[in-house]
Amino acid sequence: SQQGEEDPQALSIQEGENATMNCSYKTSINNLQWYRQNSGRGLVHLILIRSNEREKHSGRLRVTLDTSKKSSSLLITASRAADTASYFCATDAVESNYQLIWGAGTKLIIKP
Amino acid sequence: KAGVTQTPRYLIKTRGQQVTLSCSPISGHRSVSWYQQTPGQGLQFLFEYFSETQRNKGNFPGRFSGRQFSNSRSEMNVSTLELGDSALYLCASSATANSGNTIYFGEGSWLTVV
Repeated sequence: SQQGEEDPQALSIQEGENATMNCSYKTSINNLQWYRQNSGRGLVHLILIRSNEREKHSGRLRVTLDTSKKSSSLLITASRAADTASYFCATDAVESNYQLIWGAGTKLIIKP
Repeated sequence: KAGVTQTPRYLIKTRGQQVTLSCSPISGHRSVSWYQQTPGQGLQFLFEYFSETQRNKGNFPGRFSGRQFSNSRSEMNVSTLELGDSALYLCASSATANSGNTIYFGEGSWLTVV
């Protein structure tokens, strides 16, 4: 079953702008990860945030986690054309026997 | 070190046939997971193997099966193919089966059923 739900489903912005994607989930988690997928390719790990963390940074990426709202956001600052991809969140639910539960993804398009 | 390798990358099969897809994980990784991704859809979990044992299984019919060998390489098989099985099949590996591990994906196998 899909626990994570990304919002919006699609996002189109101008190069240089910031892009924010959200992920909501339903049950208690151990951690939450964000992945990127370029069209038709495999997924690439971006960042992992643990349930006891509230914010994490990696380069132009900033991830926040609000366990009370069961939601996470991924912010990409100063977007580039190369950021055009689909972004997925994956949760490692406490009761899931370490199985990752994936959202349907947000398709991000960066216009030059 | 080499990444996750999936073969074949592209294949076309006819309805009713069966197909076997192969996945070689990153050296030293013992956990292998398989996912199905259809156009515009998220990842649907198929199954996960750790040290040759199936640990988790998704909600797919029995036509979908898999196995893992002692060298951690894994195969998945789909029998009696249906048009709806056309998808990108992704394999992912991780070092252990513990929470919080990063998983590494292969480039996938594109299956088209005609």
